[in-house]
Amino acid sequence: GENVEQHPSTLSVQEGDSAVIKCTYSDSASNYFPWYKQELGKRPQLIIDIRSNVGEKKDQRIAVTLNKTAKHFSLHITETQPEDSAVYFCAATPNYGGATNKLIFGTGTLLAVQP
Amino acid sequence: DAGVTQSPTHLIKTRGQQVTLRCSPKSGHDTVSWYQQALGQGPQFIFQYYEEEERQRGNFPDRFSGHQFPNYSSELNVNALLLGDSALYLCASTTGGTDTQYFGPGTRLTVL
Repeated sequence: GENVEQHPSTLSVQEGDSAVIKCTYSDSASNYFPWYKQELGKRPQLIIDIRSNVGEKKDQRIAVTLNKTAKHFSLHITETQPEDSAVYFCAATPNYGGATNKLIFGTGTLLAVQP
Repeated sequence: DAGVTQSPTHLIKTRGQQVTLRCSPKSGHDTVSWYQQALGQGPQFIFQYYEEEERQRGNFPDRFSGHQFPNYSSELNVNALLLGDSALYLCASTTGGTDTQYFGPGTRLTVL
């Protein structure tokens, strides 16, 4: 079945430190892995994504790595700031041959950046 | 360029009632997906509409149904509401054949 596990469920870091969130997916056919940030009472916002033909992608302080063999992908945030505090969700999409795919979400990580 | 919009923002219903939620996709998008997000959980896929047809469906009962209109907007209908249907209902839009999905602000449904 399709499943995405996400760890940790909560993460507290000091401002300026790095944060790492890890996800594991079950469907080996998955080929697209987005990360969403959701602030309290707001919509999930896409912050970075990676496709299965790429091992790493970086955008300023945010990076995502993908290990297809182990079916793991991770979000790395460097130089964390208080405004990074939010719930972060990983997701994976199974490959249905070209149709826009549903997102299978992890259970979320509450990141708290302490000033 | 308007993003994904949803209405209403909040809704309170009682058990057994029916509810209709609405979504307008981002300009240029033709595919709409609906998700249910229970408190403290990740969004769960309900179904997806493309070309006015349901293309994919998640593990939700038939009480959940939908529709897509020629202008690509969509409705989610839930019949015979249960307490467990209380959640944030999100819609997401994209263009057919691409991966990136953009979410609306959601409708918070409370069933009493």
